[in-house]
Amino acid sequence: NAGVTQTPKFQVLKTGQSMTLQCAQDMNHNSMYWYRQDPGMGLRLIYYSASEGTTDKGEVPNGYNVSRLNKREFSLRLESAAPSQTSVYFCASKSGQGLYNSPLHFGNGTRLTVT
Amino acid sequence: AQTVTQSQPEMSVQEAETVTLSCTYDTSESDYYLFWYKQPPSRQMILVIRQEAYKQQNATENRFSVNFQKAAKSFSLKISDSQLGDAAMYFCAYRDPTGTASKLTFGTGTRLQVTL
Repeated sequence: NAGVTQTPKFQVLKTGQSMTLQCAQDMNHNSMYWYRQDPGMGLRLIYYSASEGTTDKGEVPNGYNVSRLNKREFSLRLESAAPSQTSVYFCASKSGQGLYNSPLHFGNGTRLTVT
Repeated sequence: AQTVTQSQPEMSVQEAETVTLSCTYDTSESDYYLFWYKQPPSRQMILVIRQEAYKQQNATENRFSVNFQKAAKSFSLKISDSQLGDAAMYFCAYRDPTGTASKLTFGTGTRLQVTL
């Protein structure tokens, strides 16, 4: 099993450009998440999807949109990139609603630089 | 909102020695879940250990154990017989079971160096 796959691994954008980060999981998980990681700030939740067909804002949603395309895929879109969105982005998934002790499974991250 | 605090930005330990990483959290819930994740230079996030708040017994996983003090809202990670491969960022995380998505809130991390 591949687990959680994120593409691309690295990306450089100019201010104002748009792009979509792709995430797919093959573990039949219900819930999926997008986090960003910045130095000294840990991981902060951008958006999440508790189940197919639902999405909700996390702690830092401004400047982002998401799509839960199907149970496997959860994409993150930057419509007009800004330097403040320079970060490492992680997609994660988790099995089963109500299984509160089940861990998040993470992708390997996307390092995004906005110049 | 819940907060998770890791007050040690960096720690260092000699190989084969023991080190304890601190984590405190703030919550008004009585049932919740706590996790430690490891992030080596490869950037991958790896689950180290988990603890359910309703369990009084501290979780252990081989050389990794926790000291869970519910009243003090403290959840420290002890690494015994440290190895070079333990060098990484370590993140403490809290999960509130309310709501549908079981979101995790992370601390800011502790960078662990392991020296010879």
